Amino acid sequence: DTAVSQTPKYLVTQMGNDKSIKCEQNLGHDTMYWYKQDSKKFLKIMFSYNNKELIINETVPNRFSPKSPDKAHLNLHINSLELGDSAVYFCASTLLSGGADTQYFGPGTRLTVL
Amino acid sequence: EDKVVQSPLSLVVHEGDTVTLNCSYEVTNFRSLLWYKQEKKAPTFLFMLTSSGIEKKSGRLSSILDKKELFSILNITATQTGDSAVYLCAVRGRKLIWGLGTSLAVNP
Repeated sequence: DTAVSQTPKYLVTQMGNDKSIKCEQNLGHDTMYWYKQDSKKFLKIMFSYNNKELIINETVPNRFSPKSPDKAHLNLHINSLELGDSAVYFCASTLLSGGADTQYFGPGTRLTVL
Repeated sequence: EDKVVQSPLSLVVHEGDTVTLNCSYEVTNFRSLLWYKQEKKAPTFLFMLTSSGIEKKSGRLSSILDKKELFSILNITATQTGDSAVYLCAVRGRKLIWGLGTSLAVNP
């Protein structure tokens, strides 16, 4: 199946832990994003990588570190997790070089910090 | 500062009603406006609008853009319970800016 996939779908962890969320797309897109959606359903962009290069880095605590090993993958590592990090994290991708603005979203990772 | 404002924030209707959702924007170097539907999972793409006055249509959903007045509307006719979702508007200028969404509940 062609899609944007994320793992894990659910993540429950204690405050202070370090965790990673993985994202992969097989759509041939050149740009990938991480979004955070909080309980109020506001979708907030965090990072964007184009061809493995960081192009958007919104005001996000430096405990969040994205890593793009190749164009098809964008992982998100979070250090020292805090209660306020609890949210759904969505990965998305698009073909920016093709002039496309349509973003394809992964299924989301629901992170719960206890 | 660039911004995207959606209205209303929430809406409750009965099946069969027609609804109109609004998205207004102030964005530098406007490139496109996108509508997404989000149920209990990831947003799914509905429409991309780049030109004023050209209606995009998909079944009971349609959308149009007014670049002079800086807004777009999303119409849903003959609503069904399956239309219940949050409808998100995003505008691409220098950056991609998302609205807060309109939460639509369609009651049987």
